[in-house]
Amino acid sequence: GQNIDQPTEMTATEGAIVQINCTYQTSGFNGLFWYQQHAGEAPTFLSYNVLDGLEEKGRFSSFLSRSKGYSYLLLKELQMKDSASYLCAGMDSNYQLIWGAGTKLIIKP
Amino acid sequence: NAGVTQTPKFRILKIGQSMTLQCAQDMNHNYMYWYRQDPGMGLKLIYYSVGAGITDKGEVPNGYNVSRSTTEDFPLRLELAAPSQTSVYFCASSRGVEAYEQYFGPGTRLTVT
Repeated sequence: GQNIDQPTEMTATEGAIVQINCTYQTSGFNGLFWYQQHAGEAPTFLSYNVLDGLEEKGRFSSFLSRSKGYSYLLLKELQMKDSASYLCAGMDSNYQLIWGAGTKLIIKP
Repeated sequence: NAGVTQTPKFRILKIGQSMTLQCAQDMNHNYMYWYRQDPGMGLKLIYYSVGAGITDKGEVPNGYNVSRSTTEDFPLRLELAAPSQTSVYFCASSRGVEAYEQYFGPGTRLTVT
């Protein structure tokens, strides 16, 4: 079956660094997406990885290892506005996204 | 650009009633999607469309219907509402599939009692 696993909740301190892990099993693989979702709002796109390695975009970076079925999202210099859920989604062979349940990130001052 | 718009924002239905959730996008995207999001669960794909006149089932299509008569609009129809359809519904669109991000509407929070 297809499955995306990520931690339910994480807590970090303002100004620190946090890494959110995601493991995936999909029928075929056409890339790994990360989205941010603030409470009561719609998901918004953060990153896309299809090749192994690290993609950096400002304070956010995303890493992919296809051989391990593993990705992580790295958030640096955490700000209070980064408190949100982070959704990991793998794209299968039919180009459909399989979504994880999301990781709720709580930032403390 | 308004992006992806959805109406209504909130709705309470009685069991057995029907309704249509509206979705429109002004980005000229060919691909459109309907998802539902339940607490503690990942987004589940209900239906999707790759262009006007073409729709297909996703992972959880039972109890729903869609149509796509124009590029802009992609309404979702609920027939004979059931409590299991209580959820938040998101419409999304994208320019393509493989590497393209999906743009989401603000969502419709539906309660069936």
